[in-house]
Amino acid sequence: KNQVEQSPQSLIILEGKNCTLQCNYTVSPFSNLRWYKQDTGRGPVSLTIMTFSENTKSNGRYTATLDADTKQSSLHITASQLSDSASYICVVLRGTGTASKLTFGTGTRLQVTL
Amino acid sequence: GAGVSQSPRYKVAKRGQDVALRCDPISGHVSLFWYQQALGQGPEFLTYFQNEAQLDKSGLPSDRFFAERPEGSVSTLKIQRTQQEDSAVYLCASSLVGQGSQPQHFGDGTRLSIL
Repeated sequence: KNQVEQSPQSLIILEGKNCTLQCNYTVSPFSNLRWYKQDTGRGPVSLTIMTFSENTKSNGRYTATLDADTKQSSLHITASQLSDSASYICVVLRGTGTASKLTFGTGTRLQVTL
Repeated sequence: GAGVSQSPRYKVAKRGQDVALRCDPISGHVSLFWYQQALGQGPEFLTYFQNEAQLDKSGLPSDRFFAERPEGSVSTLKIQRTQQEDSAVYLCASSLVGQGSQPQHFGDGTRLSIL
């Protein structure tokens, strides 16, 4: 079954600390993997898109990694800020062209506190 | 506008009523998607348009759900004879073409509550 599983389900960290969120997927055939940030009451916002051949991609304080062999990805947040509090959703694109479909994880809810 | 706009932001309806949710995609975006997001869950795919053509409606949960995009721009998701299990946030997203390497740009959703 095509699934995307994320861990932990939720996480609380102190402002300024780093954290790493995990994503495991069984989606096939793999096309690309995306990380989205979703603030409460808002739509998801794209952070990174990674293809099979990319194993690291950064966007400011966000760094995503991808291991296509083990079907694992991580999102590392450096020097967290209060505004990083949100849900982070891992999304995998399966297939190509008009038959392609996004499979969403259930997200990791991150809370950054003082 | 600069982003995807959805209206209304909140909708409360009684069970059995029909509702219509509107999505204005980013200008020039060919592809448009509808998703349903239950509380604490990730979005679930409902349907996909390329211009005015509905290429995939495999995610629509029943024949009570209907979506259209008659002129290839604004889209409407209609739910007939609403039921309590239809309560969710309905997200619309658009992208330049398809969903290959292009990111999808999401609206802030319509929160639908069925009483």
